[in-house]
Amino acid sequence: EAQVTQNPRYLITVTGKKLTVTCSQNMNHEYMSWYRQDPGLGLRQIYYSMNVEVTDKGDVPEGYKVSRKEKRNFPLILESPSPNQTSLYFCASRRGVTEAFFGQGTRLTVV
Amino acid sequence: AQSVTQLDSQVPVFEEAPVELRCNYSSSVSVYLFWYVQYPNQGLQLLLKYLSGSTLVKGINGFEAEFNKSQTSFHLRKPSVHISDTAEYFCAVISTGANNLFFGTGTRLTVIP
Repeated sequence: EAQVTQNPRYLITVTGKKLTVTCSQNMNHEYMSWYRQDPGLGLRQIYYSMNVEVTDKGDVPEGYKVSRKEKRNFPLILESPSPNQTSLYFCASRRGVTEAFFGQGTRLTVV
Repeated sequence: AQSVTQLDSQVPVFEEAPVELRCNYSSSVSVYLFWYVQYPNQGLQLLLKYLSGSTLVKGINGFEAEFNKSQTSFHLRKPSVHISDTAEYFCAVISTGANNLFFGTGTRLTVIP
């Protein structure tokens, strides 16, 4: 089954404690991206990757890092989380301009 | 630069009534357009897309949308809604030559029994 898998689904952490949200896709898609969803703001792109070792900033990259060492994986790293990074995060993958497939989301709370 | 505007943040509608969710975009080049739906506590799934060809696009669950280049719009319609259509709907765009899928702020559709 074609899918994008994110882990964890829920995470509560404290300010400043480094965390990683994993994302994996099994469709051999070149393009992967991370979004955050906040009420009234829709989905805003954090980072994207066009292929292995190729990443670029989206609209809201501050406070986040990513890496793309393998085609299937695209982890999101928060080196020093802050409360304003409390949000719902989605990973997505696609090939070209075709349908984007989304993970189930990770609800992050930073206290 | 590209942008997507969904003017209605919330749309309540009675069951079996028709509904239209509005989406307008701006881009200096040609675009590819999408509607996604998000059910509670789930990720997003594709409803329909416009890449080229016929401007009337049919999607899943009885939804359709019409691409209007002169009005830069891609409104989503359904002639008769069901309770199960209650969800948040997002319009999205990719400009030709760009890589980013850019989303609107979403419209929450609530179907009233």
